[in-house]
Amino acid sequence: AQSVSQHNHHVILSEAASLELGCNYSYGGTVNLFWYVQYPGQHLQLLLKYFSGDPLVKGIKGFEAEFIKSKFSFNLRKPSVQWSDTAEYFCAVNGNNAGNMLTFGGGTRLMVKP
Amino acid sequence: EPEVTQTPSHQVTQMGQEVILRCVPISNHLYFYWYRQILGQKVEFLVSFYNNEISEKSEIFDDQFSVERPDGSNFTLKIRSTKLEDSAMYFCASRRTGNTQPQHFGDGTRLSIL
Repeated sequence: AQSVSQHNHHVILSEAASLELGCNYSYGGTVNLFWYVQYPGQHLQLLLKYFSGDPLVKGIKGFEAEFIKSKFSFNLRKPSVQWSDTAEYFCAVNGNNAGNMLTFGGGTRLMVKP
Repeated sequence: EPEVTQTPSHQVTQMGQEVILRCVPISNHLYFYWYRQILGQKVEFLVSFYNNEISEKSEIFDDQFSVERPDGSNFTLKIRSTKLEDSAMYFCASRRTGNTQPQHFGDGTRLSIL
């Protein structure tokens, strides 16, 4: 069975600080990896995804994530956060099978102080 | 950009009653999903649906749950006899054909069982 763990439940940063949110997964086969963001009162939105190729993927709003296969990790980074990045961030994985169900991590709630 | 829409946004129901949560997936998407998030817990997969049948379901999706695509646009989740522990946020998602296509989520329905 696949599982995802996110190390930080709550992160508080000041504007312009750098961000790194950890994500580790457990799965026996080929995986697709995602980061979703949920702004207050809004739906889950895709930030970025990794399927194959360059392990460093760039997403929207200046976010990027690096897939390190040997560490089963897919950490999310942003060099300089803004107040508008305040949201909850979810790492998710699915196996490359027909149903493609997503398994989510527990989420990290990020608060950026102005 | 087209969106997944869910109604109602909040449903309050007495324990033991039936409830139907409605979703309108994005029009050219063929794969549909339901997830739920109990307050303070992870987003959990319930069921995936393709070609008018369930393709995968989790242990949560027991005989009390059913899904249906009654017409060309709606995708519904029915809970026959609700329990207190069914209180959660329920998210619908859809995606296009192709294993690299990400899932797009609706805003969710908050289900409160009294």
